[in-house]
Amino acid sequence: DAKTTQPPSMDCAEGRAANLPCNHSTISGNEYVYWYRQIHSQGPQYIIHGLKNNETNEMASLIITEDRKSSTLILPHATLRDTAVYYCIVITDSWGKLQFGAGTQVVVTP
Amino acid sequence: SQTIHQWPATLVQPVGSPLSLECTVEGTSNPNLYWYRQAAGRGLQLLFYSVGIGQISSEVPQNLSASRPQDRQFILSSKKLLLSDSGFYLCAWSVSGYYTEAFFGQGTRLTVV
Repeated sequence: DAKTTQPPSMDCAEGRAANLPCNHSTISGNEYVYWYRQIHSQGPQYIIHGLKNNETNEMASLIITEDRKSSTLILPHATLRDTAVYYCIVITDSWGKLQFGAGTQVVVTP
Repeated sequence: SQTIHQWPATLVQPVGSPLSLECTVEGTSNPNLYWYRQAAGRGLQLLFYSVGIGQISSEVPQNLSASRPQDRQFILSSKKLLLSDSGFYLCAWSVSGYYTEAFFGQGTRLTVV
């Protein structure tokens, strides 16, 4: 599976959009990009995933570049409850075997 | 709807004692099952995964073992705990056969003293 690179931390003001980048320059054609987040002392929570098209759900939007070497998770209106570690994961394994990296610690401030 | 149960929520065990953590999934059949560990201040490490009854794959060598005696039951065990086994243990499941998301339990915080 392709490796991902994320910034270790980001701050975001409450009510503003949070844009979380992820680099996956070695991604191959059949690999998906998944995003999870982990609020302190809880299990990770699925956010969104995509292959090559941009995706949107009730939690976030996922923008994947045309060459698929990077992506951005967008939280449109960050709230204090969005403070968490966000993980970008690239996966090919049909078993859904997730390998978590260090992620990005996002702190939303009032 | 599907639910995942993991217990206990917290556990304090002496060094050298045995361990058994249990995870069960309801509302689905033949799920993929996973055990993860998160040491203090560290990332999530995949310990074991299973695609069916009796089928266990280990990701890293360690003092732990896993078993899947029933389709929706996943057990993490140790015969003798080490201090380094302390951490936050998470069970997860996903639908088998194709790409999908994983659903995590609430975790067990294990402290070995």
